[in-house]
Amino acid sequence: GESVGLHLPTLSVQEGDNSIINCAYSNSASDYFIWYKQESGKGPQFIIDIRSNMDKRQGQRVTVLLNKTVKHLSLQIAATQPGDSAVYFCAENKGTGRRALTFGSGTRLQVQP
Amino acid sequence: EAGVAQSPRYKIIEKRQSVAFWCNPISGHATLYWYQQILGQGPKLLIQFQNNGVVDDSQLPKDRFSAERLKGVDSTLKIQPAKLEDSAVYLCASSSGVVAPNTQYFGPGTRLTVL
Repeated sequence: GESVGLHLPTLSVQEGDNSIINCAYSNSASDYFIWYKQESGKGPQFIIDIRSNMDKRQGQRVTVLLNKTVKHLSLQIAATQPGDSAVYFCAENKGTGRRALTFGSGTRLQVQP
Repeated sequence: EAGVAQSPRYKIIEKRQSVAFWCNPISGHATLYWYQQILGQGPKLLIQFQNNGVVDDSQLPKDRFSAERLKGVDSTLKIQPAKLEDSAVYLCASSSGVVAPNTQYFGPGTRLTVL
């Protein structure tokens, strides 16, 4: 199917390596952050979330780190697998009362076998 | 648990024609969102419903786009008339409430091509 993002920053890793995907957010008032994975032809799939009162949260093979001082978010994927190949988006909720998300531009992860 | 359903999956129309997309959220989810995703970009919110009321439509081009969620469940998004720049994937998402945590679950999207 047609690719989600043709001109996105790309991270290429070897299968089995760890991956780190970075995201800078803009609004210091944002209080909730989510990482989504989007495969070609599909909608974004929830991976992991974190609230602004935390600096780290772990899931299955994934860890999200939040650095509010520099407004930086990262997603770490351990033992990256070919099935992890996708576009990854960070999204923030700006805590203004409305709860819709503002998405970043995305990073394409390519896992080499 | 069934996910968010959307139809059609693909639509090709000519400019100035009209088109409608349908969304059925996850059962029990009060909040429904429509996003537009242009190729190479992240999704951008068009409109947010809480039950059958509009919470945020500040980014909806109201001269040509409209949306409704009459019974607080299904929703339709309409474009009339379509422009070339409306070519995009239209994503529907739902969440259980307005208060955080606000995990949104997305449908597969409708890919619109305007010729």
